[in-house]
Amino acid sequence: SQQGEEDPQALSIQEGENATMNCSYKTSINNLQWYRQNSGRGLVHLILIRSNEREKHSGRLRVTLDTSKKSSSLLITASRAADTASYFCATRGSGGATNKLIFGTGTLLAVQP
Amino acid sequence: EPEVTQTPSHQVTQMGQEVILRCVPISNHLYFYWYRQILGQKVEFLVSFYNNEISEKSEIFDDQFSVERPDGSNFTLKIRSTKLEDSAMYFCASATGIIGEKLFFGSGTQLSVL
Repeated sequence: SQQGEEDPQALSIQEGENATMNCSYKTSINNLQWYRQNSGRGLVHLILIRSNEREKHSGRLRVTLDTSKKSSSLLITASRAADTASYFCATRGSGGATNKLIFGTGTLLAVQP
Repeated sequence: EPEVTQTPSHQVTQMGQEVILRCVPISNHLYFYWYRQILGQKVEFLVSFYNNEISEKSEIFDDQFSVERPDGSNFTLKIRSTKLEDSAMYFCASATGIIGEKLFFGSGTQLSVL
């Protein structure tokens, strides 16, 4: 089964800097999504990129997808202290009727004010 | 914005007891899910539910687990005889009928089995 692995596991940056998180997965996907989780809370959807897309933007977020390398990256520009959270990639498999998301291990981002 | 609500936010139970975790998905959504997250670990898929039946389940979702949509609004996860290793945050999620779209998560129920 596919599995997302994020790196780094933890990232600490200063406010205003950019944060880049990477995700790798193992099998063919329909789409890849990024979610954010504040400590002890539920996951919030950030952005979805489909397998036929290479790059997508949403506000300060930029996501890339390289299906040949089975990898994705999430870039948060001009980070703020409020961006401090865990970030997870999640993949949805291609083919069949599967509708579940498989989550990666997550990157814990700390933005220092 | 509509949201998924889960109750209770915290549940403490004794090993061997039955627990029922409750969720109210977003009203026009058709797919429902349960995930769990053991402290500090990844978010794990348990089960998905569509058209009043389980559509997929993971290895974790054994005979001790069951799900139900008893009426038009609630979606429940029952653990028949809890074990210590069932201690985790349990998340309910829902999605529209469009395959592949994003999930909307509740805030979770923290289950502690003593």
